[in-house]
Amino acid sequence: NAGVTQTPKFRVLKTGQSMTLLCAQDMNHEYMYWYRQDPGMGLRLIHYSVGEGTTAKGEVPDGYNVSRLKKQNFLLGLESAAPSQTSVYFCASSKLAGVSYEQYFGPGTRLTVT
Amino acid sequence: RKEVEQDPGPFNVPEGATVAFNCTYSNSASQSFFWYRQDCRKEPKLLMSVYSSGNEDGRFTAQLNRASQYISLLIRDSKLSDSATYLCVVPSSGSARQLTFGSGTQLTVLP
Repeated sequence: NAGVTQTPKFRVLKTGQSMTLLCAQDMNHEYMYWYRQDPGMGLRLIHYSVGEGTTAKGEVPDGYNVSRLKKQNFLLGLESAAPSQTSVYFCASSKLAGVSYEQYFGPGTRLTVT
Repeated sequence: RKEVEQDPGPFNVPEGATVAFNCTYSNSASQSFFWYRQDCRKEPKLLMSVYSSGNEDGRFTAQLNRASQYISLLIRDSKLSDSATYLCVVPSSGSARQLTFGSGTQLTVLP
């Protein structure tokens, strides 16, 4: 049981390049989330998904797109990377129901845009 | 008022000390609260959940004051391994079980 995994772990892009970050979870969770974390700003929600085939915008969606074609995978795309997108990106998942709102996080992707 | 506010620290305490962090939140409708721990360059992990007035787990105690809208985390008998950043987390006012994360309080336990 790997939990939440993310690929790649590190990436350096040049301004204008594109890339896709992959998140996978094996806990059969309905909800999945993409966050970015910048120094002194905490985790900010980019996009989220409440189930296969559905996505929604979070707090900072501009410059990103997402897709959830399979329940276990949540992809984050950067079509034209900008230096402002240099950050650490975390994916998380959580259950559909229950008392706990616990989110389980992947190990993160460190992205630098030059 | 920010949704979640924390004192960023850093808190530098000697081993064995007791240390407390506070967090204030703005959404008075929130019913559950969380403390996450984040080690340097690692992902956040759930430390404690708080659903009523408080919760205790070994050396860690979380307390909730709904009237004043603040949550606290108390760590007794600090260990070197407690050094980390502690994130105060509150459910967002939206749906989909979204969470709002504080920017974290950094703790360093010194030998």
